This record gives sequence, structure tokens and C-alpha cells, in this order.
Amino acid sequence: GAGVSQSPRYKVAKRGQDVALRCDPISGHVSLFWYQQALGQGPEFLTYFQNEAQLDKSGLPSDRFFAERPEGSVSTLKIQRTQQEDSAVYLCASSPWQGHEQFFGPGTRLTVL
Amino acid sequence: AQTVTQSQPEMSVQEAETVTLSCTYDTSESDYYLFWYKQPPSRQMILVIRQEAYKQQNATENRFSVNFQKAAKSFSLKISDSQLGDAAMYFCAYNGILAGNEKLTFGTGTRLTIIP
Repeated sequence: GAGVSQSPRYKVAKRGQDVALRCDPISGHVSLFWYQQALGQGPEFLTYFQNEAQLDKSGLPSDRFFAERPEGSVSTLKIQRTQQEDSAVYLCASSPWQGHEQFFGPGTRLTVL
Repeated sequence: AQTVTQSQPEMSVQEAETVTLSCTYDTSESDYYLFWYKQPPSRQMILVIRQEAYKQQNATENRFSVNFQKAAKSFSLKISDSQLGDAAMYFCAYNGILAGNEKLTFGTGTRLTIIP
């Protein structure tokens, strides 16, 4: 079956613009995660969903970041009024249950000019 | 909060030789999962190996094996018979077992170069 897909793969935004990043997890996976990966660093946790419930959003860096998963499948990460420090690769991962490996998508590289 | 430390930013190994990547972590939990993920230049993160903390036996996957030392909170990855395709960033990651604590905490990574 298909893996985790993310779109767009690349996004260039002007400072102050809003962006929306999409994640399609593996069908049937209950858990969905968003991570932010700065250049040369390890991924850092942003937020986590179990089905449609957002159980942990402790990693969101500011109130400009918002994520949703309204029907328990596709998720969208929205960043309002983008800043240069938001430039990073945003990774989405899904997992069938806790402790199982997380399957990662290819990421969206966001560049804020 | 849990932390994961990878003290080797870069490593290199001759093709067909063996290399060991280091990882230490800090946690107050008694049970958890540990992972090694590989991220090739294309950036898609893929699982290399997984260890459950309650299992004393070290996990192995073909040429990949771990040395899990729970008391020392150490989780190193050994790659035997290194191949050119092993070149990538390798990340050690921790996953708690408590309900609602499913996030992965990653180290900063080790860039592995294979010398032909």
C-alpha cells in the first residue's frame, strides 16, 4: 500500500504569508505526528493526534502554528504570518499503535523569505 | 523530560568494515522503546531497528544490531559489512510507553560516510 504522503514537497513563502501543509497518513493508522526539522538537526516534535483528537500540542512553537485532523485521517498543519525562523522541513509520521515504528513522509521543505 | 544524545556528529567507515554509532538517553521511565532511524539524502526517514526496553536481548536486523545497556542508558548501533547504501544520517530516538506520550524524541544525528 501507499506510504505517508505530504504536499507540497516544497513551499516558498514571503514573510507574513499563511501556509498550509498537508499530510496523508497510511490508511488505518490511528496516530499521526508532526515534526519540525531544522537544517542539520534531528526532528523536533510539534503535535500528535490519535484519530481526530489532538492529544499533545506541547511542541508547537507559537500560537501561529495550528494543526487539525477533522476526520481522523488527513491532517493539515497551518502556519500563520510566517517568519524566517519557520524555515525548516516539516515531517509527518503515522503509526498504527503506540510503540510501533512511526512511518514518515518525505517532508515539506518550507522556505520563508 | 527525556533527552537523547548522539556525541558523534560524523563517522566514516571503509566499505565492508564494521562501525558503531553511539547513543545515550535520559529518562525516569522504566519501560520504553528505542529506535534507530536512517535518513538518506532524499530525506525520507526509515526505520533501521527497534528495541523494547523490557527485553534484555539485543535486537538484530540482518547487518544491523544494537548494544542496549539499560542501566547505563546506552543504545549503540553496530553496522557490519558496511555498504555504500548505508551512507546517511542516523538518528537515535526514544519513545515513552505512557499513554499519551507517543512522541519520538530524537538525538541530533550522526552522519555516516562509507569510503569505497
